[in-house]
Amino acid sequence: SQQGEEDPQALSIQEGENATMNCSYKTSINNLQWYRQNSGRGLVHLILIRSNEREKHSGRLRVTLDTSKKSSSLLITASRAADTASYFCATAPNTGANSKLTFGKGITLSVRP
Amino acid sequence: DAGITQSPRHKVTETGTPVTLRCHQTENHRYMYWYRQDPGHGLRLIHYSYGVKDTDKGEVSDGYSVSRSKTEDFLLTLESATSSQTSVYFCAISLDGASGANVLTFGAGSRLTVL
Repeated sequence: SQQGEEDPQALSIQEGENATMNCSYKTSINNLQWYRQNSGRGLVHLILIRSNEREKHSGRLRVTLDTSKKSSSLLITASRAADTASYFCATAPNTGANSKLTFGKGITLSVRP
Repeated sequence: DAGITQSPRHKVTETGTPVTLRCHQTENHRYMYWYRQDPGHGLRLIHYSYGVKDTDKGEVSDGYSVSRSKTEDFLLTLESATSSQTSVYFCAISLDGASGANVLTFGAGSRLTVL
């Protein structure tokens, strides 16, 4: 079964608006990551937040983590048409390169020009 | 997708035939992974490798085998392809981020259709 579940499954917004995507998970984690996938391409890592962190920023991205609720949110501010893609959360149960990531099913974001 | 290439990018085959997908990396990373991506399922781990000749099963390993004879190459083999193995297959390598977090770099994918 999937560890991460994204919500909503699909999101359509106007360019310039903010996009908020949510991810819930079931078991304890060491870190949670967000990836983007453009159509026909591989996934690209966006941002990572550790279990002892509550918020991280990277450019127009803001991610929050609430371990008590086992949930995370990814906010993309001032969206652009180029942000149109699928977004996936992935959870890691522990640290290190041997920690297998479990991915959610993804959110399809469409940004209308 | 710099540093990681998958081949072939597209393949159509018939049920019962063997298929091998290749993942090649130039980053000298120890960890390599094979995932499959299907609508409604997201990405699911098939097999992974933690070194030359060191491999282990993932969530959906039935019907697949892997081999890693060199650091740079990780092969995924379908001994006898079935229609349920029609999917997009992604290889990934592990980049140790700050403090050792497992951050993945993905290849561009291999689309396999089994008729």
